[in-house]
Order: sequence, then C-alpha cells, then structure tokens
Amino acid sequence: GNSVTQMEGPVTLSEEAFLTINCTYTATGYPSLFWYVQYPGEGLQLLLKATKADDKGSNKGFEATYRKETTSFHLEKGSVQVSDSAVYFCALSDLDTGRRALTFGSGTRLQVQP
Amino acid sequence: DTGVSQDPRHKITKRGQNVTFRCDPISEHNRLYWYRQTLGQGPEFLTYFQNEAQLEKSRLLSDRFSAERPKGSFSTLEIQRTEQGDSAMYLCASSLQGAEEKLFFGSGTQLSVL
Repeated sequence: GNSVTQMEGPVTLSEEAFLTINCTYTATGYPSLFWYVQYPGEGLQLLLKATKADDKGSNKGFEATYRKETTSFHLEKGSVQVSDSAVYFCALSDLDTGRRALTFGSGTRLQVQP
Repeated sequence: DTGVSQDPRHKITKRGQNVTFRCDPISEHNRLYWYRQTLGQGPEFLTYFQNEAQLEKSRLLSDRFSAERPKGSFSTLEIQRTEQGDSAMYLCASSLQGAEEKLFFGSGTQLSVL
C-alpha cells in the first residue's frame, strides 16, 4: 500500500536559518505529492504540490522537488521566519489506484526562534 | 468563504456512549472527507462523499462508525458504543470537483473517551 515517511521533529531553528524537512514515499502508481501545513489553532492547508517527476512545487518561499528515482519530496526554505513555526505534513495522492483520499505522513513540527 | 466548520470543538464522553459530530463544508464544495488524527500522527482517511453519495470507506471505519451527508451539504459522523481507542481528533475537509487534492480542513473535533 501507499505510505509516507517524514523525519521526526521537532526541528528547532533560528530565524533566517536554512530548512530541510525530509519526506520519502512508497506508492503503487505515479502519485501526486503535497506538503500541507498546520499553523497553531488552525486547520491543515495546502502549501505546495507536484504532480509528476522532476516537477518543483513552490509557495511562500518553500520549495520541494518530486524525485522519482529516490522516491522523495523534501521541503526546503532558504531563510525561515518565526511565522513559519507550524507542523508540516507530506502527503500523496495515487489516483491511479482509484483512491480519492490523501495518504499523510506523521508530520514534522518546526519551531523557529527569534 | 467562511471555511470548513466543525462542531463541537471538544467532546468528552464515557465509554459505551454514542457521539455525533457535525461538519459544514465550504458551500460550493461537493466533496467532503472525514479523517482521524491521533497525537503525533498524520490524518488517516475514514470516508469520503461526493454530494450525498458515500463513495469510499476506509477499513478503519468499523461498523460502530456511520457517516451521512443527507442533502449534499453538511455531514455528520456518529460513533456508537464509544471505546477508549476512539479518542482522537476528527477532521473534516472539503474540496471542489476537479481540484480534489486541494483539501480545505476544519479545525477538528477532539474526542476524549473516559
């Protein structure tokens, strides 16, 4: 079955530091890949996505590249801010299997200190 | 756009009692999803509706769980004869047809079974 594995948190960084959150996946077909973010007290929201190999998704300074050869979709940001403190979830959608639901990783908490 | 709303925010119940949660999706969204999230884990898919039709159910959804979306608008999730293992955050999400992978999540209902 499909699965997503994320690095464990929390990840604690100082403001303006470089961020990488690792995500690898297992899927039977050719999935689309996503990063969702959950800010404190809010619902999950889509941060970025990539639908095929070598695509790069980007939003709000965050980027992730769909790497089929390494089955990875690592999230990066060049300079984090305190406002980026949140929980980040990697997810996949494998519509080739007919499923309409997303499969999520366990989440990585990011704490950015001023 | 008032977002996805869920009610109640918190529910404490005794083992063996029945509970019901409500979700109001974004008004023009015809797809509605229920997920369950336990501490330190990502959301796990429970069930999915397109309009009033329940199209997919996870194996996690035992026969004590039932979900409805009677008029294709709001949805309810009922858990009968609750068990301590049902304690979790129950999340509702909605999406537009054609943009199924961009889910809009509510803030969830936190269930505690004593």
